[in-house]
Amino acid sequence: GNSVTQMEGPVTLSEEAFLTINCTYTATGYPSLFWYVQYPGEGLQLLLKATKADDKGSNKGFEATYRKETTSFHLEKGSVQVSDSAVYFCALSTHSGGGADGLTFGKGTHLIIQP
Amino acid sequence: DAGVIQSPRHEVTEMGQEVTLRCKPISGHDYLFWYRQTMMRGLELLIYFNNNVPIDDSGMPEDRFSAKMPNASFSTLKIQPSEPRDSAVYFCASSLGVGYTFGSGTRLTVV
Repeated sequence: GNSVTQMEGPVTLSEEAFLTINCTYTATGYPSLFWYVQYPGEGLQLLLKATKADDKGSNKGFEATYRKETTSFHLEKGSVQVSDSAVYFCALSTHSGGGADGLTFGKGTHLIIQP
Repeated sequence: DAGVIQSPRHEVTEMGQEVTLRCKPISGHDYLFWYRQTMMRGLELLIYFNNNVPIDDSGMPEDRFSAKMPNASFSTLKIQPSEPRDSAVYFCASSLGVGYTFGSGTRLTVV
């Protein structure tokens, strides 16, 4: 079956630090990969996605590259801000559209940015 | 667009009572998903619909849980009878096949 493993949190960084949140996956077929972000008391928001190997998703300074050879989709940002504090979820779908069979989520990584 | 709308935002109920959670998807989206989020188990897919038809309900934990989608603009998730271990945040999401839009969730507390 499908599964997503991401680094445990919380991850605490100082403002302007470099961020990496690791994500690896197991899936049948060729999954699409996603990062979602959840702010306190809110639902999940799509941060970025990639639908095929070597694609790079990017949004709001965050990036992640679909690495089929290492089955990874690590999230990076060059300089984090206090407003980036949230819970980040890596997820996959085994249909390219992402909406056909439900997402499989990782456990989430709580990111805390200190001023 | 108002996004995916869930109601109520918070629900506190006593064990044994029936609970109904509601969801209005984004107009035109043909997929609707119900998820449950807990600290222990993370985000779990409960059930999803395509064009109002249930496609996969293998994530529904027990027969106490049921979901319906009588039309394209409304879905319900019902728990009867409710138990304390059902306490969680329940999310609804809709999709047109290129990504999901989530509602703000219903925080359910069963005492």
